Amino acid sequence: IAGITQAPTSQILAAGRRMTLRCTQDMRHNAMYWYRQDLGLGLRLIHYSNTAGTTGKGEVPDGYSVSRANTDDFPLTLASAVPSQTSVYFCASSDRQNNEQFFGPGTRLTVL
Amino acid sequence: GQNIDQPTEMTATEGAIVQINCTYQTSGFNGLFWYQQHAGEAPTFLSYNVLDGLEEKGRFSSFLSRSKGYSYLLLKELQMKDSASYLCAAMDSNYQLIWGAGTKLIIKP
Repeated sequence: IAGITQAPTSQILAAGRRMTLRCTQDMRHNAMYWYRQDLGLGLRLIHYSNTAGTTGKGEVPDGYSVSRANTDDFPLTLASAVPSQTSVYFCASSDRQNNEQFFGPGTRLTVL
Repeated sequence: GQNIDQPTEMTATEGAIVQINCTYQTSGFNGLFWYQQHAGEAPTFLSYNVLDGLEEKGRFSSFLSRSKGYSYLLLKELQMKDSASYLCAAMDSNYQLIWGAGTKLIIKP
């Protein structure tokens, strides 16, 4: 792996279903982030983790949860998907909080 | 509240120069980032300014005025591959990035 990977690339999901978006980085970065990107809006932070074992809420955390069991992985879970969660989801990482963030390729999620 | 403003769309000609402006209001300030995002792809880092002034990196330069809450990205010798969205993001006192909606730059031959 080189950089950040995300899976799946895209997914169509029925409302009410549970879904986990996966994110893995091999850069040994301490900080990781989940964003959603919607047309006409800036990237919005969902959850973040400054280091393994810790997580925090961003601007739009409702309906989402995360875990950070180790440095490399930062999965995002939608417990019960709703149509308003249709979006493109980007995972990102940085070695320090105030350094540039590197982004994964994104997951395009459609909730019907 | 926290806010980032940048133009929605700009058009420029291949070989020319274009300046994309960004104004920001954040709770505290830990720097201003510019990212490039091609359609359907992930954002990629272009520049970071935390002190006032101009940072030059090849064909791209970025300027910051902290007192005015203002930044711009200057692109010189435009190439067709520069057609993309340019995202301005300010880092607040909690080290979280507040993102603008992006400026779609269209390059015409």
